Amino acid sequence: DIVMTQSPDSLAVSLGERATINCKSSQSILYSSTNKNCLSWYQQKPGQPPKLLIYWASTRESGVPDRFSGSGSGTDFTLTISSLQAEDVAVYYCQQYYNVPRTFGHGTKVEIK
Amino acid sequence: EMQLVESGGGLVQPGGSLRLSCAASGFNFNAFWMSWVRQAPGKGLEWVASINPDGSEKYYVDSVKGRFTISRDNAKNSQFLQMNSLRDGDTAVYHCARGWMYCGLWGRGTLVTVSS
Repeated sequence: DIVMTQSPDSLAVSLGERATINCKSSQSILYSSTNKNCLSWYQQKPGQPPKLLIYWASTRESGVPDRFSGSGSGTDFTLTISSLQAEDVAVYYCQQYYNVPRTFGHGTKVEIK
Repeated sequence: EMQLVESGGGLVQPGGSLRLSCAASGFNFNAFWMSWVRQAPGKGLEWVASINPDGSEKYYVDSVKGRFTISRDNAKNSQFLQMNSLRDGDTAVYHCARGWMYCGLWGRGTLVTVSS
């Protein structure tokens, strides 16, 4: 199974400042035939189901604010919130879909400093 | 409005069975892979199973193989998760989700509690 390791476990960022979450896969999740990385990011607020933010490592889901961006390739990926808003307080998960079983990172909790 | 609504959760003793249902609306259900993802209380997300649009392909996480069965009824815009031989470790909120690679639509989930 591909292990997804997120860091940090939690972070506190001031409103309007940048938040950066890292995700590392235990093997490359770059799909060679398409040159796309099989990685997605989700946001989960308390009491709500997860919400898809990013797929193919850097493609923003429709309706997701452009302050959210994804980057990286191979085994190392990053979710960046360029200017943290109060409504961004949540737990963020990365997930690989390179193979089965699909696996998630353990989550990163983002709070306001 | 696109929507997924789960039902069928509850309290069950170890070794017991439950059947979860997920009703889909607002999109062409029979064109999409569907999945189940669970979340133990206070824990992270765990993919459980997925099924292809016509029900001919099914995939499971190892911990549920032989105990859980995913299925769907395209005529009723529904998918199901038959859970047998339930264990304490299966206690979780079970979310229905649309997708096979990434999941762009999620239900709020149904709580399954396995306890004596």
